[in-house]
Amino acid sequence: GDSVTQMEGPVTLSEEAFLTINCTYTATGYPSLFWYVQYPGEGLQLLLKATKADDKGSNKGFEATYRKETTSFHLEKGSVQVSDSAVYFCALSDRNTGGFKTIFGAGTRLFVKA
Amino acid sequence: DGGITQSPKYLFRKEGQNVTLSCEQNLNHDAMYWYRQDPGQGLRLIYYSQIVNDFQKGDIAEGYSVSREKKESFPLTVTSAQKNPTAFYLCASSMRTEAFFGQGTRLTVV
Repeated sequence: GDSVTQMEGPVTLSEEAFLTINCTYTATGYPSLFWYVQYPGEGLQLLLKATKADDKGSNKGFEATYRKETTSFHLEKGSVQVSDSAVYFCALSDRNTGGFKTIFGAGTRLFVKA
Repeated sequence: DGGITQSPKYLFRKEGQNVTLSCEQNLNHDAMYWYRQDPGQGLRLIYYSQIVNDFQKGDIAEGYSVSREKKESFPLTVTSAQKNPTAFYLCASSMRTEAFFGQGTRLTVV
């Protein structure tokens, strides 16, 4: 079945450092890909998405490109801030019988130090 | 404002009790989902519903039950058969591919 694998955390960076969180997927169909962010004690918020190959999703300085040839959707940010500390989830959504179901990776916790 | 509302935010359950978590959405989404999140872990799908009066088991449905009598509502009951119910529960809805989440309910067994 479909699955998402993302790098284990925690990832600890200093403020203004470059961030990469790796994500790869397996899917039988042609999924849409997402990054969600979860702040402590809260639900998940959509950070960015891409719906087809070579699409680049971007938001709040974060970017990820849908790479079909490598089945990857790595999250990047050029200069992280303390406020970016959170858990980041890579996810895919693929059409199943009668609708869509989102499959999540295990999450990567990011700590940013001042 | 449109969104998903989960209640209560915190819930305490005694051993052997059933408890029901509420999830309401005013986004007019067809599909709704319940996920369980344990500390430091990812999300595991409990149940999902793609249309009113229909729902399917997810990966960890044992000890849980749901209903979908209205498009806006998808309550989750944690039964006494669920041996380890302490967790953070997240409800979500979607129209097509993008899921929208509620703020979660933290359930603790006392």
